[in-house]
Amino acid sequence: SQTIHQWPATLVQPVGSPLSLECTVEGTSNPNLYWYRQAAGRGLQLLFYSVGIGQISSEVPQNLSASRPQDRQFILSSKKLLLSDSGFYLCAWSVEGDTGELFFGEGSRLTVL
Amino acid sequence: GENVEQHPSTLSVQEGDSAVIKCTYSDSASNYFPWYKQELGKRPQLIIDIRSNVGEKKDQRIAVTLNKTAKHFSLHITETQPEDSAVYFCAASARWHSGYSTLTFGKGTMLLVSP
Repeated sequence: SQTIHQWPATLVQPVGSPLSLECTVEGTSNPNLYWYRQAAGRGLQLLFYSVGIGQISSEVPQNLSASRPQDRQFILSSKKLLLSDSGFYLCAWSVEGDTGELFFGEGSRLTVL
Repeated sequence: GENVEQHPSTLSVQEGDSAVIKCTYSDSASNYFPWYKQELGKRPQLIIDIRSNVGEKKDQRIAVTLNKTAKHFSLHITETQPEDSAVYFCAASARWHSGYSTLTFGKGTMLLVSP
């Protein structure tokens, strides 16, 4: 069966510090991978989307970047965090080529102070 | 791009009552409409979904209806229970400029079921 893991679960970072959140998927090949952000009391905002290694799409200008160095690994990064980067970050995957169910990771709660 | 509006933002009901959450979408090309439930501090999980070739789908106490002409879809929960308390998100498939489809989510509805 397929599983998705992301870490760390919680982190508190000072403004201006770097960020790295990691997500891995097991039990499937060439999944579509996503990073979403959920600000307090708000919906799920899509940050990045990937259909394959090295292929990253984003429509939202921001302080963040994403990379997919391996088929089932997706990384969210920042060189210098802003206060507005605080939120609940969710990695997700879906079946290759399919607009169907998203399977979410456990989430990473980031607080920037 | 796709825009999904969800109402109400908060819904309080008594145990045993029905709850209805409504969403509208803007992209007539959208063809997949899932609903997710998110309990406090946890990940969203799919509870029901519907594709554009179907007008209604039911799974025990939950049902979803879709009106493609009006571009709206709704979640219906009957005989609500306290464990139904959570935030519910609707979503619609959207096509990015890159050509791939993704999901655009509504802002969520916090459902509170009182015993």
